[in-house]
Amino acid sequence: DTGVSQNPRHKITKRGQNVTFRCDPISEHNRLYWYRQTLGQGPEFLTYFQNEAQLEKSRLLSDRFSAERPKGSFSTLEIQRTEQGDSAMYLCASSPDRNTGELFFGEGSRLTVL
Amino acid sequence: QKEVEQNSGPLSVPEGAIASLNCTYSDRGSQSFFWYRQYSGKSPELIMSIYSNGDKEDGRFTAQLNKASQYVSLLIRDSQPSDSATYLCAASYNTDKLIFGTGTRLQVFP
Repeated sequence: DTGVSQNPRHKITKRGQNVTFRCDPISEHNRLYWYRQTLGQGPEFLTYFQNEAQLEKSRLLSDRFSAERPKGSFSTLEIQRTEQGDSAMYLCASSPDRNTGELFFGEGSRLTVL
Repeated sequence: QKEVEQNSGPLSVPEGAIASLNCTYSDRGSQSFFWYRQYSGKSPELIMSIYSNGDKEDGRFTAQLNKASQYVSLLIRDSQPSDSATYLCAASYNTDKLIFGTGTRLQVFP
């Protein structure tokens, strides 16, 4: 399967713990995005990378969130000191350099903070 | 704050009817507009894009854009139960990221 892959698919954690999600984009795609989606809402932009460079980070994202994309391949999204409000689906998407607006989404990583 | 607004629905239409989904956006600098479909429990997938005023047709789908009114719509002709999903409107303020609306849930009943 050459689509966008996300792991883990589900994560249940206790408040205050750290969690990390991984995204493997489509191999020829240089752009990688992280979105967050809660029930009944559309995807909310978090951050995106062009190769290994993080080009934009949402102002809504607190300092507890950090994302990396070493070597411009896979990406990780870490949430430190999780809070119940962090419970959501975390979606990763990739797109080629010449972005036509078509984002290829992974299946998402669902986070539940107890 | 750049925003994309949609009626959350649900919009219920009978099979074979035309479903009309609407979206407004706040930033006149928006350049490109997209409709994504999201089935329950699945990720969004692109179904239509539109960049200039007017209509764009693709099969049973027609996207309409009116930049003066800051309005985007999606028409689905001959609606099928398999079209039942949430339809997300998105706008691009540059070519780098999309801002999504909350989505409109469409229900097509037999």
